[in-house]
This record gives sequence, structure tokens and C-alpha cells, in this order.
Amino acid sequence: DGGITQSPKYLFRKEGQNVTLSCEQNLNHDAMYWYRQDPGQGLRLIYYSQIVNDFQKGDIAEGYSVSREKKESFPLTVTSAQKNPTAFYLCASSMLRGEETQYFGPGTRLLVL
Amino acid sequence: GQSLEQPSEVTAVEGAIVQINCTYQTSGFYGLSWYQQHDGGAPTFLSYNALDGLEETGRFSSFLSRSDSYGYLLLQELQMKDSASYFCAVRLPSNSGNTPLVFGKGTRLSVIA
Repeated sequence: DGGITQSPKYLFRKEGQNVTLSCEQNLNHDAMYWYRQDPGQGLRLIYYSQIVNDFQKGDIAEGYSVSREKKESFPLTVTSAQKNPTAFYLCASSMLRGEETQYFGPGTRLLVL
Repeated sequence: GQSLEQPSEVTAVEGAIVQINCTYQTSGFYGLSWYQQHDGGAPTFLSYNALDGLEETGRFSSFLSRSDSYGYLLLQELQMKDSASYFCAVRLPSNSGNTPLVFGKGTRLSVIA
């Protein structure tokens, strides 16, 4: 089955700690995205990547970092510089051209201890 | 710039019809998409309007009017399982492949008996 997976489902971060959220897709999609969702809010773009070894900042990139070493994988690191990291993080992927739909993973809920 | 406006909450009775509006201020976009998100879940694609007019998919229909900067999602024969948040989204033009979707803040639909 093709799809997009995220792990872990829940993640706890201590003060001053960096944590990494995993996102993997086997849909052969070129483009991948990371969104942050706060309670009762829409989706805000953190980073996106259209091709391996290249990525662009979204609207709220500060305190986050990403890498795109493989087409299938787009991990997100929440650094200690992100002072309010508690949120629901969603990864998505899409074809680069010609298809409108974005496919979302099940999400990771990050909580600060 | 771009912004999408949706009502924050809508309540409707089981079996009824409900319309969720989306108005936008953006200088150009490829089309209007709608996504559904149940509590704690991932957004899933519902519909896409590339052109003005009505698109129908089962109980759900979506409408776009570029001249009025307006679109809506119409849900018929409401069921309890339709209780969820609904997001409109647009993709802005680019010369270098798919750009990320810009999402509205979402409308929380509550279906009551």
C-alpha cells in the first residue's frame, strides 16, 4: 500500500532539547511539506521541498530545520530555539506538477515537559 | 498577499444541507481545494475546483466563482460522521513546480441529531 507515515505519534521534549520528527512516503512524490497546527487553527507551513537536497522556508521556519537526503524522507527537527513547540505536526507530499492533491501523514503531537 | 476567510463554526441537523463559505483575497491562484479533518486526524482531500462552477462528488459539492472571489463546500444529507473541520486552500502560481497550499483557518462543523 502506498502512503505517507509519520513517527512517533506522540513526542515529548524537554527544555533545551532538539527532537526530530520522521516523515516517510512511498508514493514516489517529488514534493514534501511540513505544517504546524495549533488547537482551533489552520495549517501553517514550516518548510517544503520540491526535490532532493533542496528545500525552502515556509511562513514559520524559525526554530525548525529539515533535510531532504532521499526522495522518500523529509525529517523535521524542532530545535531548542523554538520556544513554543507544543503543537500537532503534519507532513504531506504531492506530485511536483499536474496534480492538485496533497496527501497527509497521520501527524505527530509534540508536547513539552 | 493572500488570505482565506471561513466561518469558524457551523452547526447543522442530521439529514440537512449545510454550506461552508470561503472568501479570499489573493491576486491569482490555480484553483480552490477543500480538505476534511476529523479531530486528531490528518486532513484528507475532498474536492478541487480549477474552473468556475460546481463540482459534485456524492453528497459533497464545491463551487468556485473567481469573479466574486468566493467559493463554498456544500454537504447534503448530513450524517453524524460529517462532524469535522473543513479547510479551503489555494495553490499560488509558480514557474518551478507545485507551490505549497495556503489554507484557511478551517470551519468546525457540528452535526446534531
